[in-house]
Amino acid sequence: AQKVTQAQTEISVVEKEDVTLDCVYETRDTTYYLFWYKQPPSGELVFLIRRNSFDEQNEISGRYSWNFQKSTSSFNFTITASQVVDSAVYFCALSGDNAGNMLTFGGGTRLMVKP
Amino acid sequence: DAGITQSPRHKVTETGTPVTLRCHQTENHRYMYWYRQDPGHGLRLIHYSYGVKDTDKGEVSDGYSVSRSKTEDFLLTLESATSSQTSVYFCAISGTGGDQPQHFGDGTRLSIL
Repeated sequence: AQKVTQAQTEISVVEKEDVTLDCVYETRDTTYYLFWYKQPPSGELVFLIRRNSFDEQNEISGRYSWNFQKSTSSFNFTITASQVVDSAVYFCALSGDNAGNMLTFGGGTRLMVKP
Repeated sequence: DAGITQSPRHKVTETGTPVTLRCHQTENHRYMYWYRQDPGHGLRLIHYSYGVKDTDKGEVSDGYSVSRSKTEDFLLTLESATSSQTSVYFCAISGTGGDQPQHFGDGTRLSIL
């Protein structure tokens, strides 16, 4: 069975602060994929990034960066210099070696960025 | 944006009535999914489809049925709606391959009174 844990249910920061969203996963598959999605207050789910289990290279995209560590089964997401527009619920998800490409989602972290 | 349309976007109905939600895609993707989103539970998979007339159950399939008669359409039916099925329902699509991300529709807010 697969499991994704986002221990932080809510985080509140002031604009321009850096913030890290934690994601810990469990899987027995040797090949798996990790994803982050953003759900802004408008409600849609937006795909942010995918990482496969063989690629532990960290990734940076503008103010966003992702740190994947297999040794600790973590795939953390950092927002540098947060902005009010970053306020959203962020979901981490895992897809293992299954025929249906099914995703297991974490419970989400609500990020509130105050001006 | 991925071409996914969910209808209706909002619906209010009464307990015991049948309800059908529609997901339509223009991407010709093989896989389609129905999720429900509830506070404290994140997103949970109800059913998914891996081709025309090929469907399987997800984590929370009780009380729901699905059908896929065409590649582009995936229907979710609540045969006799209950108040516990009040939720936001999302449809998603993905291409073949575990590395393919799922792309989501805008959701349907369903209230059952």
